[in-house]
Amino acid sequence: AQSVTQLGSHVSVSEGALVLLRCNYSSSVPPYLFWYVQYPNQGLQLLLKYTSAATLVKGINGFEAEFKKSETSFHLTKPSAHMSDAAEYFCAVRPRSNYQLIWGAGTKLIIKP
Amino acid sequence: NAGVMQNPRHLVRRRGQEARLRCSPMKGHSHVYWYRQLPEEGLKFMVYLQKENIIDESGMPKERFSAEFPKEGPSILRIQQVVRGDSAAYFCASSPVGGNQETQYFGPGTRLLVL
Repeated sequence: AQSVTQLGSHVSVSEGALVLLRCNYSSSVPPYLFWYVQYPNQGLQLLLKYTSAATLVKGINGFEAEFKKSETSFHLTKPSAHMSDAAEYFCAVRPRSNYQLIWGAGTKLIIKP
Repeated sequence: NAGVMQNPRHLVRRRGQEARLRCSPMKGHSHVYWYRQLPEEGLKFMVYLQKENIIDESGMPKERFSAEFPKEGPSILRIQQVVRGDSAAYFCASSPVGGNQETQYFGPGTRLLVL
């Protein structure tokens, strides 16, 4: 069965520093890959997605992610963290033969002033 | 274009009562998905519906839970005889008719608290 691993339930960075949130998936066939953000007591907002076009995907709010097939990874980055980026980030995969989204456990991003 | 709407946003029930959660998909979307997020966990798929059809309910608990998506009106997730373990956030997502089904757009969720 497919699975998604997000390394680190909490990540803390200083404002202005690089943000790196890790996501690895297990699948023999590259799935569709997504990053969603959830602000406290709100729904999930799509940040970006990979659907087999360019391996470097740019999303909203300055985030981007790179699909690396050899590493089965889809890490999320942002060059300079902002206080408003504090939220929980979820990586999800959708097998190409299916429609169910399979989710990682989430990473809470904490921004230090 | 309004996004996915869910109501109520918060719902409090006592053990043994029924909970009814509603989801109106985005305009033009006829595919609806329900997910449950338990505290401190990621989301888990529950059920996938198209208008008047349940396509996949493999993630639904065998008892007390049911879902529908009628020809007219919102999709309903119904939980009968709620127990404390049902306390969670329930998210609905929708995707367009046919074509690109790769992106699921999520509603704000309903947070159910069972006392």
